[in-house]
Amino acid sequence: DIQMTQSPSSLSASVGDRVTITCRASQSISGYLNWYQQKPGKAPNLLIYAASILPNGVPSRFSGSGFGTDFTLTISSLQPEDSAIYYCQQSYSPLWYTFGQGTKVEIK
Amino acid sequence: QVRLQESGPGLVKPSETLSLICNVTGGSINSYYWSWIRQPPGKGLEWIGSIHYSGTVNYTPSLESRLTISVDTSKNQFSLKLRSVTAADTAVYYCAREVYTAMGNHLDYWGQGNLVTVSS
Repeated sequence: DIQMTQSPSSLSASVGDRVTITCRASQSISGYLNWYQQKPGKAPNLLIYAASILPNGVPSRFSGSGFGTDFTLTISSLQPEDSAIYYCQQSYSPLWYTFGQGTKVEIK
Repeated sequence: QVRLQESGPGLVKPSETLSLICNVTGGSINSYYWSWIRQPPGKGLEWIGSIHYSGTVNYTPSLESRLTISVDTSKNQFSLKLRSVTAADTAVYYCAREVYTAMGNHLDYWGQGNLVTVSS
């Protein structure tokens, strides 16, 4: 199966900072990469799909990029409500999907 | 607005069967795949499996021998049965809608989650 590795596992940044989270796949997954945001006690929320597409309603400060094995999620100007855990997920392998271990983003 | 709601017991005894139902409202269960995902307390997300409204299923290999996912289109709901549970199956179980696109699949609507504890 395809392993997804995120880095860092956690980070702390100030409001207004630019934040980047990396997700690496154990093999090429083309552009089949999604990002989810999960706040405490809540279900995950789709943030980006197909590596770089924002669903309706997702703030434009979020962006995604990458192809093959290396992907990034960027928050251009961190806001207090962005404190959450972020997960990447590959959808390349249609029989079963895998998530990264998560990156916890905290506000200083 | 599509809404998903999990229902089922919050406590299951070891070696018994965990059963959950996901009720879909605000949209038809037809034309989509529907997934189950779980999250052990304090840990990350694990995709369990999915089912198409036609009945085609995909299961994660590690659970396939104990898992059954089914769909009831007349009730607009799908269900999960996990047999022979152990404490390792304790988790919040989420149901979600899976959207297929030419650029890959993603989970766009999620239920609120149902905590299931396996304990005697």
